[in-house]
Order: sequence, then C-alpha cells, then structure tokens
Amino acid sequence: QLVLTQSPSASASLGASVKLTCTLSSGHSSYAIAWHQQQPEKGPRYLMNLYSDGSHNKGDGIPDRFSGSSSGAERYLTISSLQSEDEADYYCQTWGTGVRVFGGGTKLTVL
Amino acid sequence: EVQLVESGGGLVQPGRSLRLSCTASRFTFGDYAMSWVRQAPGKGLEWVGFIRSKSYGMTTEYAASVKGRFTISRDDSRGIAYLQMNSLKTEDTAVYYCTREAMVLPYFDCWGQGTLVTVSS
Repeated sequence: QLVLTQSPSASASLGASVKLTCTLSSGHSSYAIAWHQQQPEKGPRYLMNLYSDGSHNKGDGIPDRFSGSSSGAERYLTISSLQSEDEADYYCQTWGTGVRVFGGGTKLTVL
Repeated sequence: EVQLVESGGGLVQPGRSLRLSCTASRFTFGDYAMSWVRQAPGKGLEWVGFIRSKSYGMTTEYAASVKGRFTISRDDSRGIAYLQMNSLKTEDTAVYYCTREAMVLPYFDCWGQGTLVTVSS
C-alpha cells in the first residue's frame, strides 16, 4: 500500500535552516512526490515536485530558500534562512494508478 | 496567472446532496486532469477524487471514503469541474479544494481557495 509518512511537527529558529522528511512506504522508494505549503488560515500552495534522484522543479514564485533532495525512500524539503512566513503546515503528495496520496503533514514552527 | 475558484459550499443536512463547482481561468482547461481534495477541521489533506482529460476519456477515480456517493464531472466548454456529493454524512464536513494536476505527472500544481461544506442537522 502506497503511504507517505511525515513527522507531525518541527521547529527551527528565525534565520536558521530546517529539513523536513517524507518517507515512502516499502516497495515505493522510486516514486516522485510533490511538496505543498499551507500557511495558517490559507489554502495549500504547490512548492515543488521531487524525483528519486533529487532533481526537482519549483513552482512559480517559490524562493530559492526552498530546495528538495532525496535519499532512498526519503524525500526532503529544506528551507534555509527561515522567515516568519515559513511557519506553516507542509504536506508531501504522491500518486499511483488511479490514486493520489498525502502524507499527514508537518507543522513547522519558526522560533 | 492560473486561477481556480470553488463555489457551492454551505450548510446541508445529513443524507442530502450538494454540488460544488470549480471555475478555471487562464489556462486550457480541457488539457488537464482535475482533482478534488478536502480538509476536515483541524485535520490534514485528503484526496477525494479526480477526472481525467478528454484525451483520456474523462474517466474518474475516487477515494474509498466517497466512492459510490460522490461524482466528479467536467464541462470543458465552460472551464468548470463539478463535485456532486450525495448521501452526505457529518464526516464529510470539510473545506473542499479544487486542484489542477500537472501535465507531465499527476501532482497538484495549482489550488483553489476552497469552499466550506458543513453537514449538520
């Protein structure tokens, strides 16, 4: 079964960097994913897609501070030079034949 | 700028029906698959279902939680996707988002602002 696992929460200081993780279920380590950001009281926004080799393509207007990388079944979202507006929920998303799947989301707190 | 605008949400009693609309602009709507995603209060994102483009037969797929109750359709001439929700349950209460699936791979590259559906007696 295709499942994405994310830690429920993360925190980092203003100006620092943080790396969020999304783990693909067994047998699905080659899958690409997408990262989405949801700021408080707003709808989600597409950040980037991310392939198993670490290559990624960001959405329009997404700052260079956001980057993606991969290792095995893990997909990462790194945010550098954290700003207050980066405090948000971050969701990974993937797909199979006839199905779309979200991770549970990570709530990022900027200290 | 690509835009998706949902409408049709509101308060509805359990067992009743409701139809949501998603009006698209500034892209060739007919070329893209469209998905619906929902978010219950205080919860994460849940995929509801999608409809393929005409090139792929406008076929549909649904999450197990809504299969047999919800139906997605599209009117490419008007640039609108629909979500018909029947036999609504209290657990269907959520903000419903319309999303566009990217051309190359089925990730969601554009989101609407959402419309709230409250199922309550």
